[in-house]
Amino acid sequence: EAGVTQFPSHSVIEKGQTVTLRCDPISGHDNLYWYRRVMGKEIKFLLHFVKESKQDESGMPNNRFLAERTGGTYSTLKVQPAELEDSGVYFCASSYQAGTTEAFFGQGTRLTVV
Amino acid sequence: RKEVEQDPGPFNVPEGATVAFNCTYSNSASQSFFWYRQDCRKEPKLLMSVYSSGNEDGRFTAQLNRASQYISLLIRDSKLSDSATYLCVVNGRGNDMRFGAGTRLTVKP
Repeated sequence: EAGVTQFPSHSVIEKGQTVTLRCDPISGHDNLYWYRRVMGKEIKFLLHFVKESKQDESGMPNNRFLAERTGGTYSTLKVQPAELEDSGVYFCASSYQAGTTEAFFGQGTRLTVV
Repeated sequence: RKEVEQDPGPFNVPEGATVAFNCTYSNSASQSFFWYRQDCRKEPKLLMSVYSSGNEDGRFTAQLNRASQYISLLIRDSKLSDSATYLCVVNGRGNDMRFGAGTRLTVKP
């Protein structure tokens, strides 16, 4: 069975450009999460989807970040326009049940804004 | 106050040593607790869930103290392959997960 996959694995963009990250969760997992780790800091929650609905987006840093999960399958996270402080590793995770079962992580997208 | 706090370490221990990590959390309503392991430049992977009664998996023992809002992980007979960052994870108010900053462990020959 395929795990959580993220694309791209690395992205280097210039300040002001737009980047879209994609996450394909494990089939059958209704819960999808986005997390971010910036250099030297802890992994921080961004948002949580249950199927196509945003359950909690309290961790989204500002309105330059837009996450979607049309159809409740894969999810995208768009950063527009990107700023230097957006650099970091963006992880996606999925789980069968929220909070009580194991969440499986993708390998992350390493975003560098220059 | 951070939602989940851990001693960042690093912990440098010889092979065979016993090492303990601690974690405190702020949300008294939290119900689920986990230890994840993250290797350098890899994704976090579940090491073990933490149950109220405490649980053991081989060389690893996890404890939960709800009254003190405290979680621990004990590793006995450390192996070189145990070198990694250990992440304390607690389910948040929205039933999602909140991470500690992680504790880095290096086991040396």
